[in-house]
Amino acid sequence: DGGITQSPKYLFRKEGQNVTLSCEQNLNHDAMYWYRQDPGQGLRLIYYSQIVNDFQKGDIAEGYSVSREKKESFPLTVTSAQKNPTAFYLCASSTWGQTSGRSWGEQFFGPGTRLTVL
Amino acid sequence: RKEVEQDPGPFNVPEGATVAFNCTYSNSASQSFFWYRQDCRKEPKLLMSVYSSGNEDGRFTAQLNRASQYISLLIRDSKLSDSATYLCVVNNGNKLVFGAGTILRVKS
Repeated sequence: DGGITQSPKYLFRKEGQNVTLSCEQNLNHDAMYWYRQDPGQGLRLIYYSQIVNDFQKGDIAEGYSVSREKKESFPLTVTSAQKNPTAFYLCASSTWGQTSGRSWGEQFFGPGTRLTVL
Repeated sequence: RKEVEQDPGPFNVPEGATVAFNCTYSNSASQSFFWYRQDCRKEPKLLMSVYSSGNEDGRFTAQLNRASQYISLLIRDSKLSDSATYLCVVNNGNKLVFGAGTILRVKS
């Protein structure tokens, strides 16, 4: 089955620790994204990547880092510099480029990781 | 002003009712529009894309009014399983912008 997987589903972290969230997709999508969702708010874009070995900051990149060494994988590291990291983190993927005709549309989401800082 | 605004609800409706949600967006250059559905503590899933003046998929109808910069979602014959949060999403050319969502509760 094609899809996006995220792990772990729940994650607890002590203040001052870095933690890495996993995101893998087998949809052969070029683009991948990381969002954060807080209660009562819309999804906010953290980072996105259009192609392997390249990524761009989204609206709230401070305190986060990513890598894109493989097309299928886009891990997100929440660093100790992130002031309020407790949230629901969602990874998504989509096609990208002229052939898709909808470069920023129709994103497919993974099941998410709930991060709680203790 | 938020880029995408939705009435948070909740909308509490009986089974079989027709319910409509509105969404306004601020960027007049926005190119495409979507409605996503999000169940409690789950990921959003695409419900409908709205690329022209509107489209229909079974009990769901999405309308776009570019002049007034709003999108609507109409659900006819509501089912219990329609209970969820409905996210209005706008593609403004370089990113997707998500509304905070409208909560729908369908009751028997």
